[in-house]
Amino acid sequence: DVKVTQSSRYLVKRTGEKVFLECVQDMDHENMFWYRQDPGLGLRLIYFSYDVKMKEKGDIPEGYSVSREKKERFSLILESASTNQTSMYLCASSKSTLQIIYEQYFGPGTRLTVT
Amino acid sequence: LAKTTQPISMDSYEGQEVNITCSHNNIATNDYITWYQQFPSQGPRFIIQGYKTKVTNEVASLFIPADRKSSTLSLPRVSLSDTAVYYCLVGDANTGGFKTIFGAGTRLFVKA
Repeated sequence: DVKVTQSSRYLVKRTGEKVFLECVQDMDHENMFWYRQDPGLGLRLIYFSYDVKMKEKGDIPEGYSVSREKKERFSLILESASTNQTSMYLCASSKSTLQIIYEQYFGPGTRLTVT
Repeated sequence: LAKTTQPISMDSYEGQEVNITCSHNNIATNDYITWYQQFPSQGPRFIIQGYKTKVTNEVASLFIPADRKSSTLSLPRVSLSDTAVYYCLVGDANTGGFKTIFGAGTRLFVKA
């Protein structure tokens, strides 16, 4: 069974703190993704990575950075957390292919509250 | 990037067939259509994917007309446990689906 795990289910941080969200997948997938989900807005892509040390901006990268030093691990970093970054953060992974979009496997999510 | 439009919500009763239609007028040649299901407090889960005509698996069917400007997810004989949010998304195969866009989804309520 594919498994994507996230370091925390719930996290409370203060404004200005540096926040690390960790994601690990055990299926040797090339691609990994970070989304945030807010009521009424669906999922919005923050960053994705298609290989170790490779990253691409998604739709809303401002205020975030990412790190992928190992194939199985993809970290989302909030350099200086702000209240508008309070959200549900979802990590996903998928195989890489040129012609067919394989499914993305999602983790359970981290609900981050910035106070 | 192709944007998708779905109804915000739908109601149904147990045992009925539910059809959720998604509009994607700007779909590109290399785009595939994928549907996900999300329960509260969980990440989305893949349901079905297709390029054209009809695709069926053990969970659902996906109907895609020849012009591919829309698609319909069909859930046969829904149960209470099918109450969830359903997302239609369109992805560019040339970029490995990286630029897929999740919209707001359709919230399906199944009543007893």
